[in-house]
Amino acid sequence: GQQVMQIPQYQHVQEGEDFTTYCNSSTTLSNIQWYKQRPGGHPVFLIQLVKSGEVKKQKRLTFQFGEAKKNSSLHITATQTTDVGTYFCAGMDSSYKLIFGSGTRLLVRP
Amino acid sequence: DAGVIQSPRHEVTEMGQEVTLRCKPISGHNSLFWYRQTMMRGLELLIYFNNNVPIDDSGMPEDRFSAKMPNASFSTLKIQPSEPRDSAVYFCASSERTGGLYEQYFGPGTRLTVT
Repeated sequence: GQQVMQIPQYQHVQEGEDFTTYCNSSTTLSNIQWYKQRPGGHPVFLIQLVKSGEVKKQKRLTFQFGEAKKNSSLHITATQTTDVGTYFCAGMDSSYKLIFGSGTRLLVRP
Repeated sequence: DAGVIQSPRHEVTEMGQEVTLRCKPISGHNSLFWYRQTMMRGLELLIYFNNNVPIDDSGMPEDRFSAKMPNASFSTLKIQPSEPRDSAVYFCASSERTGGLYEQYFGPGTRLTVT
């Protein structure tokens, strides 16, 4: 079945440093969604990318969808302690289900 | 809007007991999803409903798990009998429509501990 892989599994950064997480699918995706889960919380939707090569920004967060629609990335510029959490990508499979990646846990040292 | 509501928030039970988790989706949402989250396996989709009808239950681990959605505003996930390996956080989520083009709204989750 379709798999969505995310790297790295963990990232520990100093506040102010940048952070990037990468998402790769074994098959072409129709779209990709990104979610953030704070420690002890539940996943919260951040954004959706649909078009090949699409780039979207939300303040310090930049999301990209690869040209082949098989990979995506989330980049955070100048991390803050409020960015702490686990970031998940999720791609839609051929049966219209969202398949979540394994997540990247971000820790920020103040 | 109150968001997705789940109960109980925490459940501790002994092996062999029946466990029922409850979910109230956001009003007007037609799709409902049950997920299980563990450190080892991450976030797994167990089953999802569209217009109260189960569409895909391929993620349900075994016959001990069952889910129902008797109406548009209520769903249950039942484990009978429960086992220690069922310990996890169970999330319910809803979306306006089925399909991956619609964002999912997650409930706060039920943390289940089976001893």
